[in-house]
Amino acid sequence: SQTIHQWPATLVQPVGSPLSLECTVEGTSNPNLYWYRQAAGRGLQLLFYSVGIGQISSEVPQNLSASRPQDRQFILSSKKLLLSDSGFYLCAWNRQGTEAFFGQGTRLTVV
Amino acid sequence: EDQVTQSPEALRLQEGESSSLNCSYTVSGLRGLFWYRQDPGKGPEFLFTLYSAGEEKEKERLKATLTKKESFLHITAPKPEDSATYLCAAPSGAGSYQLTFGKGTKLSVIP
Repeated sequence: SQTIHQWPATLVQPVGSPLSLECTVEGTSNPNLYWYRQAAGRGLQLLFYSVGIGQISSEVPQNLSASRPQDRQFILSSKKLLLSDSGFYLCAWNRQGTEAFFGQGTRLTVV
Repeated sequence: EDQVTQSPEALRLQEGESSSLNCSYTVSGLRGLFWYRQDPGKGPEFLFTLYSAGEEKEKERLKATLTKKESFLHITAPKPEDSATYLCAAPSGAGSYQLTFGKGTKLSVIP
């Protein structure tokens, strides 16, 4: 069966510090991979998605970036965090047009 | 623009009091409608996929239905453990790689 791992679960970072969140999927190959951010009262916002190694599509201009160095690995990064980057970050995977399966999320607080 | 709208935003029910949650969508050429359950601090958990008008899916006290313009999540005789935020989503964009989510309905079931 397929599983998705996302870490860390919680993170407190100072403004201006770098960020690296990692997500890996097991039990499937060539998944579509996604990074979402969830803010209170605003629903799930798609940040990036990837349909293959090295292929990244960005949905929202910001100081975040994503990379997919391996088929089942998706990384969310920032060189310098802003206060507005605080939120709940979710990684997900799916096959084209089908339901997505989510990781357990990372609660990021920028202080 | 593809949109998914959920109502109500919040719903309080007494244990055993049945009700329905609504998800309306304006997605051209609907290619599926997905329901999720999300507990606080956790990633969304997949519940159902519906593909065509008239389709129904059931799981324990939950039943999801789909029409040409909306979907309903019926909750029969809810229990306190059904308390959660329920999200619906639909594939959107070219290639259906993106999932457009509603903002969710927060359900509270009071013993």
